[in-house]
Amino acid sequence: AQTVTQSQPEMSVQEAETVTLSCTYDTSENNYYLFWYKQPPSRQMILVIRQEAYKQQNATENRFSVNFQKAAKSFSLKISDSQLGDTAMYFCAFIVNYGGSQGNLIFGKGTKLSVKP
Amino acid sequence: GAGVSQSPSNKVTEKGKDVELRCDPISGHTALYWYRQSLGQGLEFLIYFQGNSAPDKSGLPSDRFSAERTGGSVSTLTIQRTQQEDSAVYLCASSLAIGYETQYFGPGTRLLVL
Repeated sequence: AQTVTQSQPEMSVQEAETVTLSCTYDTSENNYYLFWYKQPPSRQMILVIRQEAYKQQNATENRFSVNFQKAAKSFSLKISDSQLGDTAMYFCAFIVNYGGSQGNLIFGKGTKLSVKP
Repeated sequence: GAGVSQSPSNKVTEKGKDVELRCDPISGHTALYWYRQSLGQGLEFLIYFQGNSAPDKSGLPSDRFSAERTGGSVSTLTIQRTQQEDSAVYLCASSLAIGYETQYFGPGTRLLVL
């Protein structure tokens, strides 16, 4: 079975500080893509960052970066200089592509992040 | 359009009634996905379309659920004889193609079955 585990249901961080959200996943496939999505109270799921499993270099997107450990099947998200607008549910997800036939996202249950002023 | 749109934003219905949820993907996106987000259940994949074709319907939770896509664009998810356990947020996403492409989500439809 292909699963994603987010072990931190809730986290909080002070504004301007750094926080790391954990994610582990399980798949027997070698080719896949990993994603972090953010879902604020507005409900809109927004892509934060994506990582191709074949790339060793960790993806970075402004204040957001990942620590991708393929052997450990770990994909954590680091948010630097946290802002009030970062308050949201964060979902870790991956896609395993069976020869281009499917490609649905497999999601974790999410981490609720609160940024405090 | 600029993004994925869904309608209605919210829907309240009585148990046993049929509902239709609509998704309008990003222009040019050939792949379209439906997910369901329930409290305590996380995000559950329902069905995907490549063009107008839905090769795998096994993710639909029961035969009361059906979906179609016409003209390679708008998709409709229909739930017949709604039950209270159908209450959830239904999210639609689209991507350029099936596979590793990034999926862009709509704002969802919140369905409440009384």
